[in-house]
Amino acid sequence: QSALTQPPSASGSPGQSVTISCTGTSSDVGAFEYVSWYQQHPGKAPQLLIFEVSKRPSGVPDRFSGSKSGNTASLTVSGLQAEDEADYYCCAYAGSNRWLFGGGTTVTVL
Amino acid sequence: QVQLQESGPGLVKPSQTLSLTCTVSGAFITSGGYYWSWIRQHPGKGLEWIGYIYYSGTTYYNPSLQSRVSISVDTSKSQFSLNLRSVTAADTAVYFCARYYGGIPFDLWGRGTLVTVSS
Repeated sequence: QSALTQPPSASGSPGQSVTISCTGTSSDVGAFEYVSWYQQHPGKAPQLLIFEVSKRPSGVPDRFSGSKSGNTASLTVSGLQAEDEADYYCCAYAGSNRWLFGGGTTVTVL
Repeated sequence: QVQLQESGPGLVKPSQTLSLTCTVSGAFITSGGYYWSWIRQHPGKGLEWIGYIYYSGTTYYNPSLQSRVSISVDTSKSQFSLNLRSVTAADTAVYFCARYYGGIPFDLWGRGTLVTVSS
């Protein structure tokens, strides 16, 4: 099963918003409400930002929001800050206890 | 504070078996609802889910790796382990252990360990 499709890069100026897409199929992203997003800084482990499409774990700023339409999920980072410069990965449940990740998107704060 | 820590050889020869252990501290590995996971990241690439295990020993694997992978748990040591057989250079990656809990996938990660496959 192929990885989920994300744009390789995205950018925005401080204070602006950036939205990252994550495209799957009707068997994964489109089938379940189990899409999550992770932030990874260089040399660090990924950190959970969003789970179940749009829920934030405690401690994650509300600048991070998630949504889904059909087979495509999205992560929006509002009010971009310098520390938001990182790689972002989506993850989706593909049924039968299988999980898929996206290829990752590098966000640059201009 | 719950922590996960990977350990194991950083260099493995082609055709041999890659073996890693993840030690769970600050929580009971036998707590209900938790699945203990392995995830890898090829150099400069995205993430790949390898599989996970419940404390009872029930396992689920990525179909693309299923023929070569096994995950086991040692509840007495609060550890779970990854074995990946017949490795090639394509298995060179940073290997992470992570926790999955009921609808909240991979909310806690170890720091990761780089495993290089080379002769």
